[in-house]
Amino acid sequence: GEEVAQTPKHLVRGEGQKAKLYCAPIKGHSYVFWYQQVLKNEFKFLISFQNENVFDETGMPKERFSAKCLPNSPCSLEIQATKLEDSAVYFCASSPRTSGSNEQFFGPGTRLTVL
Amino acid sequence: SQQGEEDPQALSIQEGENATMNCSYKTSINNLQWYRQNSGRGLVHLILIRSNEREKHSGRLRVTLDTSKKSSSLLITASRAADTASYFCATDAMGNTDKLIFGTGTRLQVFP
Repeated sequence: GEEVAQTPKHLVRGEGQKAKLYCAPIKGHSYVFWYQQVLKNEFKFLISFQNENVFDETGMPKERFSAKCLPNSPCSLEIQATKLEDSAVYFCASSPRTSGSNEQFFGPGTRLTVL
Repeated sequence: SQQGEEDPQALSIQEGENATMNCSYKTSINNLQWYRQNSGRGLVHLILIRSNEREKHSGRLRVTLDTSKKSSSLLITASRAADTASYFCATDAMGNTDKLIFGTGTRLQVFP
């Protein structure tokens, strides 16, 4: 598609439940990035993929968070046993990464609320 | 730790006035990008300036980059009510893997 698609728009989970978020990058973009935005300002990088391979996972919490980008499937970000502090908007971005430019195109985000 | 700091945190102006937002960062960069976020929405890419560029224009937007001071500014000329949004700078640090490090954002309110 021409835009990054993210589903669901909103997700509510009780503490300890699992949350799974999906991202379909723009067709032809080989790089996918996940960011977490807390309290409407600070963005935190989580993980990036080059096609189905993890490119940079330095931002991923060691426990509970995992992500995948499989061929012919939307990318996913999964949080096992959610905690209150996981409440945030999770953004996915994709990039063609051409000509030394890494302009990233963002999806509308998934708002996760952990109760 | 967060790479960028932006000031002001919030800015209120009248339609037709110019708005200037500043961004400072900490390490050497490949490029710096500015994004806009409308309330409750995703980020919209505005402009990218490379480390070897000093100024760039796009419509009513003018971005400057001073790598010696590790700072950038975004100027929106002849602002409109529709420009009301949060504006973020984001840097692609040298030696990094293209991940963006965001500033804290400036909340711009343009009154009609």
